[in-house]
Amino acid sequence: DIQMTQSPSSLSASVGDRVTITCRASQSISSSLNWYQQKPGKAPKFLIYAASRLQSGVPSRFSGSGSGTDFTLTISSLQPEDFAAYYCQQSYSTPPTFGQGTKVEIK
Amino acid sequence: QVQLVESGGGVVQPGRSLRLSCAASGFTFSSYGMHWVRQAPGKGLEWVAVIWDDGSEKYYADSVKGRFTISRDSSKNTLYLQMHSLRAEDTAMYYCARDLGDGDSSSFDPWGQGTLVTVSS
Repeated sequence: DIQMTQSPSSLSASVGDRVTITCRASQSISSSLNWYQQKPGKAPKFLIYAASRLQSGVPSRFSGSGSGTDFTLTISSLQPEDFAAYYCQQSYSTPPTFGQGTKVEIK
Repeated sequence: QVQLVESGGGVVQPGRSLRLSCAASGFTFSSYGMHWVRQAPGKGLEWVAVIWDDGSEKYYADSVKGRFTISRDSSKNTLYLQMHSLRAEDTAMYYCARDLGDGDSSSFDPWGQGTLVTVSS
């Protein structure tokens, strides 16, 4: 199975900050990388697919980049509604696997 | 709008069985693959199983293979997860999620609200 490792596990940031989360795959997954946002007590929400493509309706302050084994999710200007957990997930091979998550908290 | 509503969760003793359901609406159910993904309390996400749009292919996580069975009834627009020989480590919120395509994309959108399974004596 492909292992996905996110860093950091948690971070504290202020509204307006630029936030970057990294995700590393244990082997090359080309651009087969998705990002999800999960708020407490809610189901995950699909944000980004194919490493850099924004799902319809997702604000443009979210962006993704990377290919191969190293990927990033960037929030250009953190908004109050962005405080949540974020998960990367590889869709390159079965079983699909997730990173352990990054919790973005209010500073 | 696309909606997925899970049901069937509850408290069950180790070794017993449970069947989860996921009622789909707002889209052509028979045109999409469907997944189950679970999340243990306070933990991350774990993919459980997928069934392709036509039901022809099914795949499972090693942790549930031989104990869980995924199925679908397109006449009822409903996805199922039959769980046998339940263990404490199966305790989790179980989400159903639609594949972006026939089941092969392994990308999940949208998700249901989840149903909680607690395995405890």
